[in-house]
Amino acid sequence: KAGVTQTPRYLIKTRGQQVTLSCSPISGHRSVSWYQQTPGQGLQFLFEYFSETQRNKGNFPGRFSGRQFSNSRSEMNVSTLELGDSALYLCASSFRLQETQYFGPGTRLLVL
Amino acid sequence: AQSVTQLDSQVPVFEEAPVELRCNYSSSVSVYLFWYVQYPNQGLQLLLKYLSGSTLVKGINGFEAEFNKSQTSFHLRKPSVHISDTAEYFCAVMGGSGNTGKLIFGQGTTLQVKP
Repeated sequence: KAGVTQTPRYLIKTRGQQVTLSCSPISGHRSVSWYQQTPGQGLQFLFEYFSETQRNKGNFPGRFSGRQFSNSRSEMNVSTLELGDSALYLCASSFRLQETQYFGPGTRLLVL
Repeated sequence: AQSVTQLDSQVPVFEEAPVELRCNYSSSVSVYLFWYVQYPNQGLQLLLKYLSGSTLVKGINGFEAEFNKSQTSFHLRKPSVHISDTAEYFCAVMGGSGNTGKLIFGQGTTLQVKP
C-alpha cells in the first residue's frame, strides 16, 4: 500500500497570507490527524478527523482549521499567517481512532 | 492530563555499543505507547508500539522496549547500534480510553552514533 502523502512538500509564504495543506491517507484509513513540529515547541497536536467529523482539536488559535472529505483525504488551512507558523506540518492516518498512526513526510512551511 | 518526558535530549554512543533511550509518562488512565524515529527532512516512522499484552515489545531495526506500569516508563533499547541509527527518536502516549487518537509526544532524543 502507498503511504501517507502530503502536498506540497515545501511552501514559502509571507505574513498575512493564507495557506492550504493537503493530506491523502493510506488506502482504507478513515482517521486523519495533524501535528505541528517546531524546534521550540516540539510536536503538537492540531486536530483529528474521522468520517468527515472533527473529533478533537488542540490548543491552537482559530486561524488553524481543517476538514476531511468523503474519501478520507484531509486539508488544513492557516489564515493570516504569522512568522511563528513556520513549521513542519505532519499528517498521520489510522484505520480508526485510537489505532496506530502512520505519518506522511510533512509539509515544511516558511513564513517570511 | 497526560504528559511524556524523554530524559535525555542527546545520547552519543559508539557504533556497535548498546543504547537505551529513556521515556517516562504520566496518565490517570490506561495508555497506548509508541516510539517513532525521524530521520533528517523526513516524517515520523513507527518503530514499535505497546497496546496491551506482553510488556516487552519488539520493533523494527532491532529495537525493543519494555512497558513498566509501576514506574510509568517505556524505555527503548538496542543491543548494538549502527551509524544508520543516527536520528531523532520520539516517545508518544495515546489515551487508552475515550474517543480520541491524539498523540502526546516527548521532546525527542537525538541519538548520535559515532564510528
